[in-house]
Amino acid sequence: GDSVTQMEGPVTLSEEAFLTINCTYTATGYPSLFWYVQYPGEGLQLLLKATKADDKGSNKGFEATYRKETTSFHLEKGSVQVSDSAVYFCALSASHRLAFGKGNQVVVIP
Amino acid sequence: SAVISQKPSRDICQRGTSLTIQCQVDSQVTMMFWYRQQPGQSLTLIATANQGSEATYESGFVIDKFPISRPNLTFSTLTVSNMSPEDSSIYLCSVATRDSLFYEQYFGPGTRLTVT
Repeated sequence: GDSVTQMEGPVTLSEEAFLTINCTYTATGYPSLFWYVQYPGEGLQLLLKATKADDKGSNKGFEATYRKETTSFHLEKGSVQVSDSAVYFCALSASHRLAFGKGNQVVVIP
Repeated sequence: SAVISQKPSRDICQRGTSLTIQCQVDSQVTMMFWYRQQPGQSLTLIATANQGSEATYESGFVIDKFPISRPNLTFSTLTVSNMSPEDSSIYLCSVATRDSLFYEQYFGPGTRLTVT
């Protein structure tokens, strides 16, 4: 079945550092790919999306490119802020179902 | 995107009781979904709430434990029945808008349930 794998463990980094969160997927067909963010005490928010190969999703300084050849959708941000501290979930959808990765907690230290 | 609200936002319940969670959307949507997020875990789809027909449950979830109603295109309820501490989770409602053909979903703020 469809699945998403995110890198293990929380990510702790200093303000203005470069952030990368790895995401790879397994799917039949051609899924759409998403990054969702969950700020402390809040619900999930759609951060960015890509619907076909080589699409780049971007929002709030975050970017991710749909790489079909490596089945990846890594999230990047060039200079993180303390306000980016949250849990980030990679997800895919090939139909009406969303399959989520386990999530990565990101902690940005001033 | 749609604006989604859930009630209650949180609750503490005794084991053996039931809780009904409401999800209200500010516009008509094609499909609504219910997810569970256990502490420190990712989201798991419980069921798709179908308007005018029975919900479609995912493997491991049954109607007797999680009855769902969808009386119209803007409202749904999820009941967690005969609760045990293992049901302590965040329960989230999500919707897919008509234009997106189900591939894009937006989430409500969640209901944080603690069962003692």
